[in-house]
Formats: sequence, structure tokens, C-alpha cells
Amino acid sequence: GNSVTQMEGPVTLSEEAFLTINCTYTATGYPSLFWYVQYPGEGLQLLLKATKADDKGSNKGFEATYRKETTSFHLEKGSVQVSDSAVYFCALSDRGANSKLTFGKGITLSVRP
Amino acid sequence: DAGITQSPRHKVTETGTPVTLRCHQTENHRYMYWYRQDPGHGLRLIHYSYGVKDTDKGEVSDGYSVSRSKTEDFLLTLESATSSQTSVYFCAISDQVGGANEQFFGPGTRLTVL
Repeated sequence: GNSVTQMEGPVTLSEEAFLTINCTYTATGYPSLFWYVQYPGEGLQLLLKATKADDKGSNKGFEATYRKETTSFHLEKGSVQVSDSAVYFCALSDRGANSKLTFGKGITLSVRP
Repeated sequence: DAGITQSPRHKVTETGTPVTLRCHQTENHRYMYWYRQDPGHGLRLIHYSYGVKDTDKGEVSDGYSVSRSKTEDFLLTLESATSSQTSVYFCAISDQVGGANEQFFGPGTRLTVL
């Protein structure tokens, strides 16, 4: 079955530091890949997505590239802000009718001023 | 923001009582989902619906039932709540256009079973 593995957390960074959050996946076929963000007390919001190999998703300074050869979708940001403090989830969706999302366990990011 | 509301937003109940959570959407999306979020587990799918009166089980469906009599509403029922069902419950919707299952989430319901 499908699975998503995220690096262990939590992660604490100083403001303006570089961020990498690792995500690898196992899936049959060609899944779509997503990063969701959850701010304290809120639901999940889609941060970015990629639907085929070598696609780069980007939003709010975050980027992730769909790497089929390494089955990875690592999230990066060049300079984090305090407002980026949140929980980040990597997820994949297989294709076809009635497809479902499979989530990683999430990682908490805290950014210090 | 996608038009998804959940009610109630918070609920405290006692073991053995029935509980119904409601998800309402104004986007006319075909697919609706119920998840639970627990520390160390991420989000786990409870049930989902792919149309009015069409539902199926997710990975943690035991102890839960769902109903969807209208496109806009998806109800999650705990027939007899247990302490292990204390969690935060999220509803999500999707139209699965283009084969990518991009889901939009509601604000969540925090349920405590004493």
C-alpha cells in the first residue's frame, strides 16, 4: 500500500535560517504529492503540490520538487519567519476514481525570533 | 477559502453516549472525508463519501458510521463514544479534477470523551 515517511521532529530554527523537511514515499504508479500546513488551532491548508515527476511546487517562499528516482518530495525555504511556525504534513494521492490521500505523521516547526 | 464548516467546534461528552458531528460545504464538491488527528499518528481516514448515499470505510472506521443524504452535508456518528475516540476530527472535500486529489479542510471539531 501507499505510505509517506517524514523526518522526525520537532524542528526549531532561528529566524532567517534555511529550512529542509524531508519526505519520502512509497506508492504504485504515479501519485500526486502535496505539502499541507496546519497553524495552531486551525485545519490543514494546502501549501503546494506537484502532479508529475520533476514538477516543482512553490508557494509563500516554500518549494518542493517531485523526485521520482529517489521517491522524495522534500520541502525547502530559504529564510524562515516566525510566522512559519506550524505543523507540516507531506501527503500523496494515487490516481483514478475515488482516490484517497495518505499522510505522513507531520512535523512541528518552531521559529525563534 | 473553501466553504467548509464543522459543528460543533468543541464537544465534551461521556462514555457510552451517542455523538454526531456535522460537516457542511458550499462548494458542491463530490467527495467528502472524515479524518481524526492524534499525536504521533498524523491524519487517519475514518470514512469517505463519493456521492450522495455513497460511502466507504477508511483505515480507522470501527466505532464510527456516516451518512450523506445531501451533497452539502456529511455526518459522522459515534454510536457509543469511548475514551479512545477523544481526538480532533477534520472534514475535507475534494472534486478530484484532473486526477489529483487536492483536498480542502474544515476547521476541525475537538471531541473529548470522559
